[in-house]
Amino acid sequence: SQQGEEDPQALSIQEGENATMNCSYKTSINNLQWYRQNSGRGLVHLILIRSNEREKHSGRLRVTLDTSKKSSSLLITASRAADTASYFCATDALTGTYKYIFGTGTRLKVLA
Amino acid sequence: DAGITQSPRYKITETGRQVTLMCHQTWSHSYMFWYRQDLGHGLRLIYYSAAADITDKGEVPDGYVVSRSKTENFPLTLESATRSQTSVYFCASSEAGRLNYGYTFGSGTRLTVV
Repeated sequence: SQQGEEDPQALSIQEGENATMNCSYKTSINNLQWYRQNSGRGLVHLILIRSNEREKHSGRLRVTLDTSKKSSSLLITASRAADTASYFCATDALTGTYKYIFGTGTRLKVLA
Repeated sequence: DAGITQSPRYKITETGRQVTLMCHQTWSHSYMFWYRQDLGHGLRLIYYSAAADITDKGEVPDGYVVSRSKTENFPLTLESATRSQTSVYFCASSEAGRLNYGYTFGSGTRLTVV
């Protein structure tokens, strides 16, 4: 079964707006990662947040982590048409083996 | 992505045939992974490897075999292909101690079993 589940499954916004995607997971983790996938391409790593961190920033990306609720959110500010992609969270489930389980993803469409 | 290549990009095979998907990385990363991606399921881990000659099962290993005799190669073999194995397969690699960089993914192999 999936460790992470993203919400919403699909999101459509106007360019310049902010996009927020959520990820919920089932078991305790060491780290959580977010990835982007453009259509027909492989996944690209965006950001990693550790279980002892609550918030992390990278450019227009802001990731939060609430371990008590077993959830994370990815915020993309001032979205651009080029942000159109699918976004996945991945968790390591305390395995200690660098093995990550991916969620089902959020499809983001940014309209110009 | 430069440094990790998958071949072939596209493959059509018949039910019951054996097929091998190749994955090659040039960074000498310790960890390598095989995922399959299907609509509605996201990415599911098939097998992974922590080093040469060390492999372990992921979420959906049945019907697949892997080997890793050299650090840079991690082939995935479907012993007797079934239609349910029609999918996009992604190989990824990662280096221990460089976790902040996450996985690096290949461009994928789209496999169709007819």
